[in-house]
Order: sequence, then C-alpha cells, then structure tokens
Amino acid sequence: DTEVTQTPKHLVMGMTNKKSLKCEQHMGHRAMYWYKQKAKKPPELMFVYSYEKLSINESVPSRFSPECPNSSLLNLHLHALQPEDSALYLCASSQEVTASTGELFFGEGSRLTVL
Amino acid sequence: AQSVTQLGSHVSVSEGALVLLRCNYSSSVPPYLFWYVQYPNQGLQLLLKYTTGATLVKGINGFEAEFKKSETSFHLTNPSAHMSDAAEYFCAVSSNTNAGKSTFGDGTTLTVKP
Repeated sequence: DTEVTQTPKHLVMGMTNKKSLKCEQHMGHRAMYWYKQKAKKPPELMFVYSYEKLSINESVPSRFSPECPNSSLLNLHLHALQPEDSALYLCASSQEVTASTGELFFGEGSRLTVL
Repeated sequence: AQSVTQLGSHVSVSEGALVLLRCNYSSSVPPYLFWYVQYPNQGLQLLLKYTTGATLVKGINGFEAEFKKSETSFHLTNPSAHMSDAAEYFCAVSSNTNAGKSTFGDGTTLTVKP
C-alpha cells in the first residue's frame, strides 16, 4: 500500500472547468512535490513545498495553482487547462528538501484528460 | 549540475535470464543515486538507493546495483528475470545540496519473454 494517497485517480475536464487534485501523506515528511508525467517519459518537476512554503516553481503556467494547507496535504488547482496538459500527475514526498537523501515517495497518480 | 543517461530505452530478456539496465550519471558533488520502478498505471516505487557507504546495494525483488565512481555508473542487475519484473525503470540522481530537484533518466522499458 502506498503511503502517499492521491485523489481522484482519473479526472476528465473541459478547458473551461475548474478542478483540483489532492494529495495526502502521513509519514511526517516536510517536503511535498508535484510532478507531471507524459506517456513513456520521466516525471517532470512542477512544484516543491518545504515546510508548507513553496520553494520551487519550475516555471509552470499559472493555470496550475498549488496549495499546501498543512504539512500532510497538497493540492493542485486546475483552471483553463489545454488538451496538451493531459498527463499523469504524480504527488511525492520526502523527509526534507535539504539535509536529506532526496528519496521520493510517490503516490499512484491522478490521470488527467483535458477535452 | 547533474544529469543521468540510461543506455537503451528498451531491454528484452527471457524469463530466468540476467537483467542489466545501464545508468551513467554526472554530478559536480557526491551523488545520491536511485532506481525507481513504475508498473503500468501506477506511480514510481523505490527499488534501491545509494547514498554513502557500501557501493553494492540490494533492493527489492532481487535487484541490486553497484556504485562505481570511477565509471560514474550505477547499473541495475537482477540474476533471474520474472514476468512480474516487466515495467519501466528510472535511474535518478540527487545530492545533499540539491535534494529537492532529483534528475531522472529517460527510462528503460523492460520486457520479459516467457
């Protein structure tokens, strides 16, 4: 069983919709991540939160808006997406961003389809 | 700066045969090295990792990898492939100065033939 839980597992949305992806971990980790993965490609880093503060934004378009309400939860708010944003969105956590081995614990992902 | 190169985007072996997946890295500081496995429609799962100490590391499902600093390599092996090993394998590198930004290789698809 994965210790990082993502909901929903599948999401279909139109380009004018607003939706959110949710992620939860209970391992006491202080770093949480959003990755985007296209088919047959490696994960691409989008955002990193460290101690509930945004520490890395990899120049992600503003139609993706992350939120970290507390140390266990991470959300990704989606608005006015494009069909090319269709992908598997992976949440991950690690003990810390710094002074850490960088081992990532991944959720099973949310598969997003934008029509 | 850090980078990862996985040689061979597709590897096919027979059941029971040796599995060898190649990974070379580049890092300006001592690296932390990882192999992750991804089964269809799932997230990534850690197979094994090297941080410090023993250079031969063992992971789950019979996999192991050896850190060779002189060759900047971290190849993944399994002495006997099982059908259930068929998956996508990613090599990744990070460091204690850049742990928030792991760099992944492009991945290797392992096919196991009966």
